[in-house]
Amino acid sequence: RKEVEQDPGPFNVPEGATVAFNCTYSNSASQSFFWYRQDCRKEPKLLMSVYSSGNEDGRFTAQLNRASQYISLLIRDSKLSDSATYLCVVKTDSWGKLQFGAGTQVVVTP
Amino acid sequence: DVKVTQSSRYLVKRTGEKVFLECVQDMDHENMFWYRQDPGLGLRLIYFSYDVKMKEKGDIPEGYSVSREKKERFSLILESASTNQTSMYLCASSRDRGGYSNQPQHFGDGTRLSIL
Repeated sequence: RKEVEQDPGPFNVPEGATVAFNCTYSNSASQSFFWYRQDCRKEPKLLMSVYSSGNEDGRFTAQLNRASQYISLLIRDSKLSDSATYLCVVKTDSWGKLQFGAGTQVVVTP
Repeated sequence: DVKVTQSSRYLVKRTGEKVFLECVQDMDHENMFWYRQDPGLGLRLIYFSYDVKMKEKGDIPEGYSVSREKKERFSLILESASTNQTSMYLCASSRDRGGYSNQPQHFGDGTRLSIL
């Protein structure tokens, strides 16, 4: 079983709509969580960290559910520029090592 | 802004060649990482380093080695390149050292390596 699992999608979303997707992780000792965004043929870039109480950054909201071991990302008022692959990332040790999900593809259509 | 620079965006090499991929970061980060990314598999960790001259194996170290002689530079070496090492290679760095601090990794642009 993979340590971090994501629905690969694609999630086809009309512009202006809301889309949400989850990611599950297997290691209950995981402590830090992130969402990264990756555009086609580009490097991953940090979108936001995920905090225990949930957090919001503009149109993006991240939630953590430790009991069920998943994190979620919600995008409101989707823009065409939100089209990308969203990587769920989990830190499981006390150093800097991260476990990456394979990504969820989001396609925002006009 | 953190800057992680990889020496080449695209590289074509032949089977059996020794290949060097270089990565430099300008933020005095302790941790540096090498990943490869393949379709459907996501990012897989090859090697990482917590400090100068320190290296640790990641999930897929076979066929690779690394060198970290200076804090800002982390090199990935393909000892004898094979076609199954054709991939996108990504270098990353991060600040944390010990503890569960919420420090993310910052990535370079990536090197698309083709082994013929």
